[in-house]
Amino acid sequence: NAGVTQTPKFQVLKTGQSMTLQCAQDMNHNSMYWYRQDPGMGLRLIYYSASEGTTDKGEVPNGYNVSRLNKREFSLRLESAAPSQTSVYFCATSRGQPQHFGDGTRLSIL
Amino acid sequence: DAKTTQPPSMDCAEGRAANLPCNHSTISGNEYVYWYRQIHSQGPQYIIHGLKNNETNEMASLIITEDRKSSTLILPHATLRDTAVYYCIVRVGGAGGGADGLTFGKGTHLIIQP
Repeated sequence: NAGVTQTPKFQVLKTGQSMTLQCAQDMNHNSMYWYRQDPGMGLRLIYYSASEGTTDKGEVPNGYNVSRLNKREFSLRLESAAPSQTSVYFCATSRGQPQHFGDGTRLSIL
Repeated sequence: DAKTTQPPSMDCAEGRAANLPCNHSTISGNEYVYWYRQIHSQGPQYIIHGLKNNETNEMASLIITEDRKSSTLILPHATLRDTAVYYCIVRVGGAGGGADGLTFGKGTHLIIQP
């Protein structure tokens, strides 16, 4: 999806390891979001940032931290990965509505 | 945000119109109806949205009932590439819409048959 770039695209971790998922946008949007999607389910909101310098918890924030580094970048950190965090992670951006999504990071935790 | 109800799956023949229903009986006056779709392994893609009038764009048409309690997304000439999960989401929207996240249900898995 043009405009929202997620890195890495794939990652395998061992339980207890830490990592940071990166999201960058060039759409000049104020709001950014992190979702997770488990098999057969819709997306669930982890954290969001309405504007640079602010972050808020979503539906499933436990085990995650976020940083809104600047207007373009919003990162998601797993401090101590657990198998339950195996999922596909999507970043999104918006100016009001609608939201624009990246292509996801597929994360497996063994 | 109002809750929505969608059928879990639907089939449609290629070249025919695909009509995807959504019930949102608890919708509030300032809530819009949004449709997104997710093609396998990709991020969700915005399709269309509306408040109370019918809307059309290059991808689809959105028909909202007069009482706003239900809506139908219409893909006029479905192709195999339209096979995807379609999500109907109701929330405060438009340019001044809230900056909080979207609530996704399980959506409708639309399968276009050749």
